[in-house]
Amino acid sequence: GDSVTQMEGPVTLSEEAFLTINCTYTATGYPSLFWYVQYPGEGLQLLLKATKADDKGSNKGFEATYRKETTSFHLEKGSVQVSDSAVYFCALSDGSNYQLIWGAGTKLIIKP
Amino acid sequence: GAVVSQHPSWVICKSGTSVKIECRSLDFQATTMFWYRQFPKQSLMLMATSNEGSKATYEQGVEKDKFLINHASLTLSTLTVTSAHPEDSSFYICSARPPPGLAGGNIYEQYFGPGTRLTVT
Repeated sequence: GDSVTQMEGPVTLSEEAFLTINCTYTATGYPSLFWYVQYPGEGLQLLLKATKADDKGSNKGFEATYRKETTSFHLEKGSVQVSDSAVYFCALSDGSNYQLIWGAGTKLIIKP
Repeated sequence: GAVVSQHPSWVICKSGTSVKIECRSLDFQATTMFWYRQFPKQSLMLMATSNEGSKATYEQGVEKDKFLINHASLTLSTLTVTSAHPEDSSFYICSARPPPGLAGGNIYEQYFGPGTRLTVT
């Protein structure tokens, strides 16, 4: 079945560092891909999305490109801030039943 | 747009009692809502898919008689944890699938409520 694999956390960086959180997927069809973020004590928020190959999703300085050839959707940000500290989830939807398949989540800790 | 609320945000109950959690889509009609459970430091586990006017579809291993789901209207779904026990303590999150075209979303997106922290003593 479909699955999502994320790099294990926690990932600890200093402020203004470059961030990459890896996400790879397996799917039989052509899924839509998502990154969700969960700030401490809050619910999940959609951060960005991509619905077809080579699409780039972007929001709040974060970017991720849908790479079909490598089945990846890595999350990047050029300069992280303390306020980016959160848990980041990669997810896919293959459209067969509108369910989301989730990665395990990666906790990001940014130190001032 | 596309706001989902949950009530209560946290609840403490005694073992053996039942607890109802509400999930509302505030500014859109959601034909499909999802209920998740999240254990500490873990990912979300889908419990069930709730379609308005029909019975919920439960994931394997989820007891439908223990976790009662009702989706009585296009803006409200409820999860009732019956005869709660300490092992039911968890963070419960609902989400709603918006209709196509809402706020630039697509049919595969879900909008999430803030979650409900249940503690059973």
